[in-house]
Amino acid sequence: ELKVEQNPLFLSMQEGKNYTIYCNYSTTSDRLYWYRQDPGKSLESLFVLLSNGAVKQEGRLMASLDTKARLSTLHITAAVHDLSATYFCAVDQLGRGADGLTFGKGTHLIIQP
Amino acid sequence: KAGVTQTPRYLIKTRGQQVTLSCSPISGHRSVSWYQQTPGQGLQFLFEYFSETQRNKGNFPGRFSGRQFSNSRSEMNVSTLELGDSALYLCASSWIGAGGSYEQYFGPGTRLTVT
Repeated sequence: ELKVEQNPLFLSMQEGKNYTIYCNYSTTSDRLYWYRQDPGKSLESLFVLLSNGAVKQEGRLMASLDTKARLSTLHITAAVHDLSATYFCAVDQLGRGADGLTFGKGTHLIIQP
Repeated sequence: KAGVTQTPRYLIKTRGQQVTLSCSPISGHRSVSWYQQTPGQGLQFLFEYFSETQRNKGNFPGRFSGRQFSNSRSEMNVSTLELGDSALYLCASSWIGAGGSYEQYFGPGTRLTVT
């Protein structure tokens, strides 16, 4: 059974600081997704990582994937309040979508002025 | 291009009733997946449909069912509602290409409250 673990689950940080969210998964997969969810809202796609060594950046967020270590990271640079949200990583084990995405429990991120 | 739409957005039902939720995928997307989100269990996969066929189902009781129509629209049904079925139900659509499944785009969700 595929397991996806995120840490930390809760993160309170100050504006301007850097931090990293970690996502470990238990079985071989080369498709990893990061989503953002604001309170009461749906999931917004941030990054799709499809191969070992993939790195993608958008603004202050950068995601990377190491399939050998079964690890993805979401790095936040110089955090701003607008990045406060819950961040989920998800894995598509067989890459065909039929088995659904397995999500981590999410990292609740609060960025304080 | 219009995004994934879900109706209704909010629903209140009582225990024992049944409910039907609807999802219209992004035009051209033939795969529709359903997820349940609760504070306790997080996001859990319910089932996935592709070309009107259910390809896989998550670990949910038989009270949860779904179907997909020829236009790729999908419905899910929950019978004999229980309090624990209160959740945000999310529908996601994706395009299946030669390389497999691609990114799943999520709809706004249906918030179901069972009293």
